[in-house]
Amino acid sequence: EAGVTQSPRYAVLQEGQAVSFWCDPISGHDTLYWYQQPRDQGPQLLVYFRDEAVIDNSQLPSDRFSAVRPKGTNSTLKIQSAKQGDTATYLCASSRDREGTQYFGPGTRLLVL
Amino acid sequence: GDQVEQSPSALSLHEGTGSALRCNFTTTMRAVQWFRKNSRGSLINLFYLASGTKENGRLKSAFDSKERYSTLHIRDAQLEDSGTYFCAAASSGSWQLIFGSGTQLTVMP
Repeated sequence: EAGVTQSPRYAVLQEGQAVSFWCDPISGHDTLYWYQQPRDQGPQLLVYFRDEAVIDNSQLPSDRFSAVRPKGTNSTLKIQSAKQGDTATYLCASSRDREGTQYFGPGTRLLVL
Repeated sequence: GDQVEQSPSALSLHEGTGSALRCNFTTTMRAVQWFRKNSRGSLINLFYLASGTKENGRLKSAFDSKERYSTLHIRDAQLEDSGTYFCAAASSGSWQLIFGSGTQLTVMP
C-alpha cells in the first residue's frame, strides 16, 4: 500500500508570493487533513475533508489560505500571499474514516524570506 | 490552552537501557497516536490506541482515557531509536489530532 505523497518537498518564496502544495492520500481513505508544523513544535490542524466536503476549516487563515479536494481524492493547499510567519512544514494526512489512524505524508518545508 | 502535555521534552539514554514518555490530557480523549519523526522529517506511526495497551518489539504503549494519560515505553534502546517522538490525541466528538510538543530522544553508546 503506497503511503501519503506530497509535493513539492521544499519551497522557498519571497513575501507576497503564492505557493501551492499538493497531496495524494492513501487509496480508499475518505478523510484528508492538512496540518501546519512550525519549527520545533507539534503539528496543528488547518483544515480537513470528508470526501470532497470541508468538515472544519476554522483554523485556516481564510484571507490567504485555501484548500480544495474537488474529487474527494487529491487535495491542494494554496497560500495566496505568503508571509514570513508562514514558514513551517505543511503536512498532509489521511485516514480510512474520521475515527481511524491518521497516516502522514513527508511534508512540504516552506521558507518565506 | 494546550490539551496535550508531553514529557520529558528531552531524554538521553544509554544503549540497552529503557525509559518512558508520557502524555497527560486536560480533557477526555477517545484515542491516542504515537509517532516517531524519521531522519527525513516524516512522521512514522508507532501506535494507535483507543484503550488498553499495545506492544511492538521494544516499544509498548498504554492509554487510559479515564485517567487522561498515555505512555510510551522503550526498552533495550538502540542508537537508531534516536529522534523526536510525538503523541497526539483526539478528544471525544472531535476528529482533530492535538499534538504534544514532542520528546527529543538521544541514545548514546
